Amino acid sequence: GQQVMQIPQYQHVQEGEDFTTYCNSSTTLSNIQWYKQRPGGHPVFLIQLVKSGEVKKQKRLTFQFGEAKKNSSLHITATQTTDVGTYFCAGHTGRRALTFGSGTRLQVQP
Amino acid sequence: NAGVTQTPKFRVLKTGQSMTLLCAQDMNHEYMYWYRQDPGMGLRLIHYSVGEGTTAKGEVPDGYNVSRLKKQNFLLGLESAAPSQTSVYFCASSTAPRYEQYFGPGTRLTVT
Repeated sequence: GQQVMQIPQYQHVQEGEDFTTYCNSSTTLSNIQWYKQRPGGHPVFLIQLVKSGEVKKQKRLTFQFGEAKKNSSLHITATQTTDVGTYFCAGHTGRRALTFGSGTRLQVQP
Repeated sequence: NAGVTQTPKFRVLKTGQSMTLLCAQDMNHEYMYWYRQDPGMGLRLIHYSVGEGTTAKGEVPDGYNVSRLKKQNFLLGLESAAPSQTSVYFCASSTAPRYEQYFGPGTRLTVT
């Protein structure tokens, strides 16, 4: 079955440093979504990427979808304590169900 | 507009007991999902539904059953709870065109 791998599992940064998490799928994806889960909370949708090579920005967050539509990345510039949480990628091969990566937990030291 | 709600928020069961988790959404979404989240394991899909009266197995369906009798509700049942089912359970819903998933607050289940 489809597998979505995410690295790193955990990252601890100083506030102001940059952060990147990478997502790799074993199969070609029709689209990829990113979610953020704060400690003790539930996942919240951040963005969806659909096109090969697509890059989208949300303030300090930059999302990329690979040319082969099998990998993606999320980069946060100048992290803040509000960025703390676990970031998940999730891939669609069809419309019906997402396969989630295992997540990257980000800790930001003030 | 409450979004996705889950009942109960917490539950402790003894091995062998049964229970039903209720998920309700007020966004008229066609698709609904049940996930379990274990430490370091991400979200694993248990069952999902693409419409009223239809259900399908996800990645980890064993030991669980589901029903979607009404479009707004999706029930997850545990017939005979086992300690391995100790987890946080999330329900989610989605709709076209983007199929972004809206999650409920979760149910923390402990089986002793």
